[in-house]
Amino acid sequence: DVQLTQSPSSLSASVGDRVTITCQASQDINNDLNWHQQKPGKAPQLLIYAASNRETGVPSRFSGRGSGTQFTFTISSLQPEDIATYYCQHYDNVLRTFGQGTRLDIK
Amino acid sequence: QVQLVQSGSELKKPGASVKVSCKASGYNFHSYAMNWVRQAPGQGLEWMGWINTNTGYPTYAQGFTGRFVFSLDTSVTTAYLQINSLKAEDTAVYYCARDRVIDYWGQGTLVTVSS
Repeated sequence: DVQLTQSPSSLSASVGDRVTITCQASQDINNDLNWHQQKPGKAPQLLIYAASNRETGVPSRFSGRGSGTQFTFTISSLQPEDIATYYCQHYDNVLRTFGQGTRLDIK
Repeated sequence: QVQLVQSGSELKKPGASVKVSCKASGYNFHSYAMNWVRQAPGQGLEWMGWINTNTGYPTYAQGFTGRFVFSLDTSVTTAYLQINSLKAEDTAVYYCARDRVIDYWGQGTLVTVSS
């Protein structure tokens, strides 16, 4: 089964900072990777699908890149409302897998 | 618009059973699989498995076989998660989530297991 390793597990940044989270897959998964945002006390929400495609309505400061085994998720200019935990997620025809999450807060 | 509306919080005693519902609307129910995801207090997301909404065939992730049952009532476009022989460690928020891509999420159902 595919394993996803996210880093860092947590980070603090200032408003306006560029923030990058990485997700490494244990084997080649093409671009079958999503990024979800979970704000405190809320259900997760899909932000990025197929590694680099923003879901409708997602602000342009959020972006994703990568293919194969290495993926990145970037917030170009951190806003206070971006405080959340971010998860990468792989899917195939049978299984889904989540990374362990990256908790992001404001410095 | 796509909506997944889950049933309310549950408080159960160890050994009891619970059935969580997920009512889907705004799309063709049969066109998308339904996943179940667990989130224990303070922990990350854990995929439990999915059910084929055409055939009703369930697929369970490792660690979720035996006591966990996925089912459907297609007449009311609703998916169900039943957990039998509840244990304290089943205390968690349970989410339904659409499709293999996981593009829409329910609001979550808190199940608390306590004597």
